[in-house]
Amino acid sequence: KQEVTQIPAALSVPEGENLVLNCSFTDSAIYNLQWFRQDPGKGLTSLLLIQSSQREQTSGRLNASLDKSSGRSTLYIAASQPGDSATYLCAGILNDYKLSFGAGTTVTVRA
Amino acid sequence: GAGVSQTPSNKVTEKGKYVELRCDPISGHTALYWYRQSLGQGPEFLIYFQGTGAADDSGLPNDRFFAVRPEGSVSTLKIQRTERGDSAVYLCASSVAPGGGTEAFFGQGTRLTVV
Repeated sequence: KQEVTQIPAALSVPEGENLVLNCSFTDSAIYNLQWFRQDPGKGLTSLLLIQSSQREQTSGRLNASLDKSSGRSTLYIAASQPGDSATYLCAGILNDYKLSFGAGTTVTVRA
Repeated sequence: GAGVSQTPSNKVTEKGKYVELRCDPISGHTALYWYRQSLGQGPEFLIYFQGTGAADDSGLPNDRFFAVRPEGSVSTLKIQRTERGDSAVYLCASSVAPGGGTEAFFGQGTRLTVV
């Protein structure tokens, strides 16, 4: 079974600081890794999908990397804004369809 | 619709009652998934449909839980004899197809509270 861990569980930074969110997984046979954002009381919004053949993906201020050999993925958010405050979840896919989620990192960006 | 739609958004029910949760996936998406999220945790897999059939229901916690997708589009998650431990947010997701690097898109969830 794929175990996914996200550290830290919570993070508070001043506006403008770059964010670094970590995700580790136990099975290097991971197929894809997907990062999501969840606002309080809401569903999940897909941010980035990294396929196993890729090492990183970028979208605007977001950049996610994937290192299968070390079992790690990192989400970078440049120049954070108060609107970036949310919980960020990573999820690995082993067998084509089943997402294994971490518990998330709750980010607060202080104005 | 443009995204995955789930109804109702909130459901409060009494212990022992039967509930149905509905998911309307993105048009054209053949793969549909149900997940359950407890407070402070990541979502946990319940069941996966490819078309009309349940390809993997290994995440359903017990036989009180059942899901259908009769026409390969809308899906209904059914919970019999609800218990307080069933209280959680139930999330539905869909993708164009399983695997192949396809992205999963989630609905807003149904918050179920069993009192």
